Amino acid sequence: GQQLNQSPQSMFIQEGEDVSMNCTSSSIFNTWLWYKQDPGEGPVLLIALYKAGELTSNGRLTAQFGITRKDSFLNISASIPSDVGIYFCAGPNTPGGNTGKLIFGQGTTLQVKP
Amino acid sequence: EAGVVQSPRYKIIEKKQPVAFWCNPISGHNTLYWYLQNLGQGPELLIRYENEEAVDDSQLPKDRFSAERLKGVDSTLKIQPAELGDSAVYLCASSLQMYNEQFFGPGTRLTVL
Repeated sequence: GQQLNQSPQSMFIQEGEDVSMNCTSSSIFNTWLWYKQDPGEGPVLLIALYKAGELTSNGRLTAQFGITRKDSFLNISASIPSDVGIYFCAGPNTPGGNTGKLIFGQGTTLQVKP
Repeated sequence: EAGVVQSPRYKIIEKKQPVAFWCNPISGHNTLYWYLQNLGQGPELLIRYENEEAVDDSQLPKDRFSAERLKGVDSTLKIQPAELGDSAVYLCASSLQMYNEQFFGPGTRLTVL
């Protein structure tokens, strides 16, 4: 089945640094979603991408839909302590499909040192 | 606008006991999802409802898991009997229509002893 691979698995950075993480797949995706999950809470949608090459920002967060449609990137600029959490990428389980089933990556854990 | 509501937030039970989780989706969202999240992993879909109809339950272990969404709004997920391996976080999500952005509730953390 389809899988999403996220890297790095974890990051430990200094407050104020920029962060970059990515998500790759062996198959094409028509949608990429980025979520953040705080401990003890459900995932919160950060950014949704629907078009290859699309670059979308949400405050200090910027995400891009890769041209090949097999990858996506999430960047966080000027990190702050509240950026700590697990970041998941997700996409539909079939290319171009509309089944409503999201496949999630295994997550990137971000820790920020004040 | 209120988000997805789930209860209880935490549940501790002994194995072989039954347990039920409740979800109230965002108002107007006709699609509802139940996900299972194991520690250190991303959520995995158990079942998806379009209004009151379960349209994808292929990942639901039907020997012990059941779900319902009788009036197309609230939903209940049940496990009977629970096993040790069922310890996980059970997340509910909803969306305006199938495959749009999904919004998650806080989850129910189940511990089976």
